[in-house]
Amino acid sequence: DTGVSQNPRHKITKRGQNVTFRCDPISEHNRLYWYRQTLGQGPEFLTYFQNEAQLEKSRLLSDRFSAERPKGSFSTLEIQRTEQGDSAMYLCASSFSAGELFFGEGSRLTVL
Amino acid sequence: QKEVEQDPGPLSVPEGAIVSLNCTYSNSAFQYFMWYRQYSRKGPELLMYTYSSGNKEDGRFTAQVDKSSKYISLFIRDSQPSDSATYLCATSRGSEKLVFGKGTKLTVNP
Repeated sequence: DTGVSQNPRHKITKRGQNVTFRCDPISEHNRLYWYRQTLGQGPEFLTYFQNEAQLEKSRLLSDRFSAERPKGSFSTLEIQRTEQGDSAMYLCASSFSAGELFFGEGSRLTVL
Repeated sequence: QKEVEQDPGPLSVPEGAIVSLNCTYSNSAFQYFMWYRQYSRKGPELLMYTYSSGNKEDGRFTAQVDKSSKYISLFIRDSQPSDSATYLCATSRGSEKLVFGKGTKLTVNP
């Protein structure tokens, strides 16, 4: 399978715990994006990398959120001290050409 | 005003109907226009990708962009039950982020 891969697919955690999601993009894609989607809403932009450089971060990305893309390959999104409002689907996408994003299946977070 | 407005529906049509899905956007700098299909609990799947104004056709799907009125449309001909999904419009200025509408939930009844 050569698509965008995300792990884990579903994470259930207790409030206050830290969680980390991993995204493996399509291999030749240099851009990587993280989005968050809640029920009944479209995906909301969180952050974007070109190679290993994080070029833009949304105001939605509070200090508890951090994303990395070491060596410009896979990326991780960590949420510290999770809150119930963090419950959502976290989507990763990659692209090679402008605007044409390819999404993974998402990592669903449930915070109890 | 949100950057991209999309009627969330839901929209229910009989099999074989022509479906029209629409979005409006506010930023005239947007140049790239996309339609994604999303099945329940799955990631969005890119359906149509258009640069600037005009029409693009792919099988039963036609995407239209009218930059003068900031209006984007997706038409589905001969709709099938397998087309039942949420359709998301999205737009961007370039290689930066996509801005999405809320999505329209479509059900095609056999």
